[in-house]
Amino acid sequence: NAGVTQTPKFRILKIGQSMTLQCTQDMNHNYMYWYRQDPGMGLKLIYYSVGAGITDKGEVPNGYNVSRSTTEDFPLRLELAAPSQTSVYFCASSYRDRDNEKLFFGSGTQLSVL
Amino acid sequence: AQSVAQPEDQVNVAEGNPLTVKCTYSVSGNPYLFWYVQYPNRGLQFLLKYITGDNLVKGSYGFEAEFNKSQTSFHLKKPSALVSDSALYFCAVTRGTGKLIFGQGTTLQVKP
Repeated sequence: NAGVTQTPKFRILKIGQSMTLQCTQDMNHNYMYWYRQDPGMGLKLIYYSVGAGITDKGEVPNGYNVSRSTTEDFPLRLELAAPSQTSVYFCASSYRDRDNEKLFFGSGTQLSVL
Repeated sequence: AQSVAQPEDQVNVAEGNPLTVKCTYSVSGNPYLFWYVQYPNRGLQFLLKYITGDNLVKGSYGFEAEFNKSQTSFHLKKPSALVSDSALYFCAVTRGTGKLIFGQGTTLQVKP
């Protein structure tokens, strides 16, 4: 049982490049989330999904896109990377009905846009 | 709008002493409150939650938190700190959806 797996762990992008951050979970969780963590700012919710085929915006969705074609996978797409997207990105998942606020986090992706 | 505030960027405590990490919240209606811990280069881990009931909530690793409605606070406590408790601690709030709003985090340093 691997939990929540994120790849890659580190990435450097040039301004204007695009990339996809991968996230997969093997706990059969319905809910999945993408957060970004900036120093002194806590975590901000980018997008979330309550099940396959359903996604919705969080607090800071601009510049990102997501899809949820399966229960297990929730990739985050960055189009036209900008320096403001330099951050640590965390994927998380939780149950739907019980303890849905108990999030299980991946180990993060550290992204630098130069 | 919901929000949480952690007024201290860093808390320093000697091993064996009690520790408190502060959190205040702002939410309309009944809050669901949480504490998470982050160790270096790791994702966040759930520590404890308050939904309803007893104001003193017990969680993982000997931590507990006290819900105080009149002061809109949810401070994290531990009677005797360990060096291994050194980490970044986040308070969070939700209205029951699972979309958590996190505070900015407090670094706890426990010195031997």
